[in-house]
Amino acid sequence: GAGVSQSPSNKVTEKGKDVELRCDPISGHTALYWYRQSLGQGLEFLIYFQGNSAPDKSGLPSDRFSAERTGGSVSTLTIQRTQQEDSAVYLCASSLDPVANTGELFFGEGSRLTVL
Amino acid sequence: SQQGEEDPQALSIQEGENATMNCSYKTSINNLQWYRQNSGRGLVHLILIRSNEREKHSGRLRVTLDTSKKSSSLLITASRAADTASYFCATVDLSGNTPLVFGKGTRLSVIA
Repeated sequence: GAGVSQSPSNKVTEKGKDVELRCDPISGHTALYWYRQSLGQGLEFLIYFQGNSAPDKSGLPSDRFSAERTGGSVSTLTIQRTQQEDSAVYLCASSLDPVANTGELFFGEGSRLTVL
Repeated sequence: SQQGEEDPQALSIQEGENATMNCSYKTSINNLQWYRQNSGRGLVHLILIRSNEREKHSGRLRVTLDTSKKSSSLLITASRAADTASYFCATVDLSGNTPLVFGKGTRLSVIA
């Protein structure tokens, strides 16, 4: 596709369930980011993949959160044993070059997670 | 943290007026970027200004950067109702090896 694709666009789950959110970046983009945005708030960095380097996981809020990127393309963010405070919009972004060179991130439309 | 902080948090103006939003940050940067977010949707990149630049224009957008004050401003001239959105600044640190850090945004409302 032409842009970053995220699925599902909306997910409602019960507290304690596991969820998986998927991100399909723009073809050829080497960097992929996950951010979280709570209602009316800014973006909270979660994790960053760049090429074949080890991911920067410094933003993951707890060990219930994990992410992988298979074949340098599609990424899955997994939240285990979801809690109500995990409710947010999860945004994925990709970029063609290391951030310092071009800087521009291309965002998907986000996955809105609601934990009941 | 070098999180950008936008000011004001919310701004309401009449169509045709200019809108100015400010961003402050804490540490040395490689570049600073502005993004726009329509309600409930993804962010769209507007403009990037590098640390050795002082001003940049793109259409009705004008961005300034003052590295001595660690601040930037985004000016939207002749605003339109369609400019209603949230605007975020984001910074890349000097090494360029860390992900963009976003501020909390300015919510702009342009009233027709």
